[in-house]
Amino acid sequence: DTAVSQTPKYLVTQMGNDKSIKCEQNLGHDTMYWYKQDSKKFLKIMFSYNNKELIINETVPNRFSPKSPDKAHLNLHINSLELGDSAVYFCASSQQGEFSYEQYFGPGTRLTVT
Amino acid sequence: GQSLEQPSEVTAVEGAIVQINCTYQTSGFYGLSWYQQHDGGAPTFLSYNALDGLEETGRFSSFLSRSDSYGYLLLQELQMKDSASYFCAVKSATNKLIFGTGTLLAVQP
Repeated sequence: DTAVSQTPKYLVTQMGNDKSIKCEQNLGHDTMYWYKQDSKKFLKIMFSYNNKELIINETVPNRFSPKSPDKAHLNLHINSLELGDSAVYFCASSQQGEFSYEQYFGPGTRLTVT
Repeated sequence: GQSLEQPSEVTAVEGAIVQINCTYQTSGFYGLSWYQQHDGGAPTFLSYNALDGLEETGRFSSFLSRSDSYGYLLLQELQMKDSASYFCAVKSATNKLIFGTGTLLAVQP
């Protein structure tokens, strides 16, 4: 049983295209996150949702738009892809609030923009 | 600003003990987590310290000193499978995790 799953695992696309990444968790958690990990392995939070409500929105270009149809799903849509968007994108989930120190990560989506 | 500093690389031999340090400077501190990430894999949670002192989980222990804005992860009886990147992460007032720069641990036979 996969706790946090993401699709696709790999995404290769050209500059200017629009793409989406999907995430699902079956842990019953209320809070979900999107992270970006760059080539230097720096892991930075982008967004967080708690029970479908956006609670963290870091300084991310508005080409990135998250959507949470229900508390088990969090998707990320990226418009007008740029070379600098190439990275590994991780979805994660946790129990809410004080338990956010323990997050469960999905396998990641490696995005390559050419 | 917010920063978490870790050594970039550490090398140790099988069976040895290694300590990975983390110093932080953040606006708001509610605890320090540690995560392990194997190459090509996802980060996995190892431990958490909200209060000063040592937390032990099997071969891994984590220490926190809030007055020194410092923590460390101690790995004992090193095994080859412990070769990975290790990240400290501060839990902030808004319940988000701010990750450190990561330490690549290489365990040699």
